[in-house]
Amino acid sequence: DTAVSQTPKYLVTQMGNDKSIKCEQNLGHDTMYWYKQDSKKFLKIMFSYNNKELIINETVPNRFSPKSPDKAHLNLHINSLELGDSAVYFCASSQDLLAKNIQYFGAGTRLSVL
Amino acid sequence: SQQGEEDPQALSIQEGENATMNCSYKTSINNLQWYRQNSGRGLVHLILIRSNEREKHSGRLRVTLDTSKKSSSLLITASRAADTASYFCAPFINAGNMLTFGGGTRLMVKP
Repeated sequence: DTAVSQTPKYLVTQMGNDKSIKCEQNLGHDTMYWYKQDSKKFLKIMFSYNNKELIINETVPNRFSPKSPDKAHLNLHINSLELGDSAVYFCASSQDLLAKNIQYFGAGTRLSVL
Repeated sequence: SQQGEEDPQALSIQEGENATMNCSYKTSINNLQWYRQNSGRGLVHLILIRSNEREKHSGRLRVTLDTSKKSSSLLITASRAADTASYFCAPFINAGNMLTFGGGTRLMVKP
């Protein structure tokens, strides 16, 4: 069973649309993250949640709204999609917020905005 | 942001050779982690070195950390074609309490 799973794997959509990416982890972790990886492979954190509470929000446009219905799920909703939103989005989880913890990543969602 | 910055950006070697990748960062860290990303996949954790450690080994991997120079290196010995991937260093920065990533080193190991 996949530890961190995100859907869909690929998402192709038009500018201006609204879309969601879902993420689930079955590791029993308290903390979940969303990262954006650009075309140059730079990986940048967007959000982190700990026990459904927002911890990190790294200067992400408010068109991006994360939602954590429970600590096993962290979904990402994006309004009014722009060309610059095209990237690969990764969900990850860790045991908790402590520095010693490693992160487990999903396989990514490749978003293409046309 | 206080990203880890990897050097070189790309590295091509023959199977059996050693591969060395370097990482620099800018601020105080709790630990530094290395991750691997195969093409089209998510990142997988390789090794974590704490700020009070200088060297750590795991199988064919050797990681060093020099906090005075704010740098780390990852050595893969006796490389294999299956080691072909991107390798990311991720300093866990104290300010912000989070992992930070750079753009990775793309390693190609030719059979």
